[in-house]
Amino acid sequence: EAGVAQSPRYKIIEKRQSVAFWCNPISGHATLYWYQQILGQGPKLLIQFQNNGVVDDSQLPKDRFSAERLKGVDSTLKIQPAKLEDSAVYLCASTTGLDGGNTIYFGEGSWLTVV
Amino acid sequence: DAKTTQPPSMDCAEGRAANLPCNHSTISGNEYVYWYRQIHSQGPQYIIHGLKNNETNEMASLIITEDRKSSTLILPHATLRDTAVYYCIVRAILTGGGNKLTFGTGTQLKVEL
Repeated sequence: EAGVAQSPRYKIIEKRQSVAFWCNPISGHATLYWYQQILGQGPKLLIQFQNNGVVDDSQLPKDRFSAERLKGVDSTLKIQPAKLEDSAVYLCASTTGLDGGNTIYFGEGSWLTVV
Repeated sequence: DAKTTQPPSMDCAEGRAANLPCNHSTISGNEYVYWYRQIHSQGPQYIIHGLKNNETNEMASLIITEDRKSSTLILPHATLRDTAVYYCIVRAILTGGGNKLTFGTGTQLKVEL
């Protein structure tokens, strides 16, 4: 079974530029998450989707971050304009549904460096 | 969200069992305990999860106390490749119907020869 796919794997941009990350969850997984992991810290949830609807985006900095999952399958996370403190790994994760016993699987992450 | 408390670091000799403790005293009755590990530059890898009963799979065993306020992850025969940061997480149920994993800082396990 294919895992959670993310791209690009690495990205370096200058501050105030924009960047987009793409995620394709495991086939059939209705729930999709985006996490941000700053070096030396645990991942922090940014946004959670159930199919094409947002379940929780309370920790998403909406002035610069946006995410969409228009067809309920793959998803895009965008940052515009980027700040130095956005340098982090952006992790996508997915699971079959909202039941607490359904395992959440993570992708390898997209590494962002803002200079 | 129910908070978890883990020791920041632990050492283990290769071939021996690694026992990683976790406290989650504010866990609610319908919240699961999950364990993930993360090796540098990789995404978190699922290990095991449980609700009330002890669980075992090909990677590890999870022992949850009867009052559910703490748990222990057991790697029965640790190898050098088990060196990683291990996260104990209580899967929180959101008021809007969703749920999420809230990561702490985890335990850095170092397996040595």
